[in-house]
Amino acid sequence: EAGVTQSPTHLIKTRGQQATLRCSPISGHTSVYWYQQALGLGLQFLLWYDEGEERNRGNFPPRFSGRQFPNYSSELNVNALELEDSALYLCASSLIAGVTYEQYFGPGTRLTVT
Amino acid sequence: AQSVTQLGSHVSVSEGALVLLRCNYSSSVPPYLFWYVQYPNQGLQLLLKYTSAATLVKGINGFEAEFKKSETSFHLTKPSAHMSDAAEYFCAVSDPNFGNEKLTFGTGTRLTIIP
Repeated sequence: EAGVTQSPTHLIKTRGQQATLRCSPISGHTSVYWYQQALGLGLQFLLWYDEGEERNRGNFPPRFSGRQFPNYSSELNVNALELEDSALYLCASSLIAGVTYEQYFGPGTRLTVT
Repeated sequence: AQSVTQLGSHVSVSEGALVLLRCNYSSSVPPYLFWYVQYPNQGLQLLLKYTSAATLVKGINGFEAEFKKSETSFHLTKPSAHMSDAAEYFCAVSDPNFGNEKLTFGTGTRLTIIP
């Protein structure tokens, strides 16, 4: 069974540009989560999607947004990039919201903003 | 709000020695607790989870953790460290206000194994 996949592996953008990160959950998983792992700040919860809807978001500005597609894959968009957005962005999926609880993580997309 | 405190951002142990990584949580209701491991340049892998069943939880790679409600702790242990255990370890707690879906992570403990 394939795990959570993320693309691209690395992304280099300049300040002010937009970045789009993609995530494919494990087959059959309906919930997708996004986390930011910035140096020195640990893992911060960004967004949670389930059945195509945004269920919750963390303490991030509105320029962080995303969506979940009918096939449960997800996209994270970061607009007006700032230097401090440089981080590893991790996507995770779970089987059914509120049932199995554990989240399975992808390898991440490393975003570098110059 | 939920929170997790991992004592010791860096822990070094000799190969074959006991591994003890500390995690304390705060929660107004019984939480679900997790330990994840992150190897260099990889995502997080679930080691074990506590979901209100047995208080002593066994995970993969010989790790186990004990939920102690009185101490609000969920420390991770392994009797004998192996070189392959070198990685960063994260303790996480679920947020019951969101159906236990939102995870709050600790800041992580980097484990170094001394040959």
